[in-house]
Amino acid sequence: AQSVTQLDSQVPVFEEAPVELRCNYSSSVSVYLFWYVQYPNQGLQLLLKYLSGSTLVESINGFEAEFNKSQTSFHLRKPSVHISDTAEYFCAVSGGYSGYSTLTFGKGTMLLVSP
Amino acid sequence: DAGVTQSPTHLIKTRGQQVTLRCSPKSGHDTVSWYQQALGQGPQFIFQYYEEEERQRGNFPDRFSGHQFPNYSSELNVNALLLGDSALYLCASSLSAGTGELFFGEGSRLTVL
Repeated sequence: AQSVTQLDSQVPVFEEAPVELRCNYSSSVSVYLFWYVQYPNQGLQLLLKYLSGSTLVESINGFEAEFNKSQTSFHLRKPSVHISDTAEYFCAVSGGYSGYSTLTFGKGTMLLVSP
Repeated sequence: DAGVTQSPTHLIKTRGQQVTLRCSPKSGHDTVSWYQQALGQGPQFIFQYYEEEERQRGNFPDRFSGHQFPNYSSELNVNALLLGDSALYLCASSLSAGTGELFFGEGSRLTVL
């Protein structure tokens, strides 16, 4: 079975500072990797995804994540955060025995950006 | 182009009651999945419907059942509600041959008293 571990439940950071949200996964087969963001009282929105090709993927709002197969990690980074980035971030994996159309999520990391 | 829509947005039930949640997928999508998100947790996969059949199921009891209609919309039914069923229920749609990229609705928040 697959699993996803998000090592930090909460990450406080000041505005314009860099941030890294950590994600590790376990799977014995090839997987696809995703980061979703959830703003308060809303559903989940796809932030970025790794399917194949370049191991560094970027979102339109300045986030990036790097797939590291040897370390089974997919950490999310942003060089300078804004107040509006305050949200819950979920790392997710698809593939393996569950198939590629279902997702296994981590428990989430709450990013708290303060002035 | 409407995204995934869910109804109702909030509801309160008492233990032992039954509830039905509804979902309309994003236009062009034929696969609907349901997830349960308890407070402070990540979403947990309940089941997935494709071509009006349950294609995959997560580790949820038979009290949780679903249906998909010919227009691809879907319902989630939960019988004999327990306090622990209180959660945000998320519907997600995708293409059957997709890569795991899901489009989520805003969810139905169920409170069981």
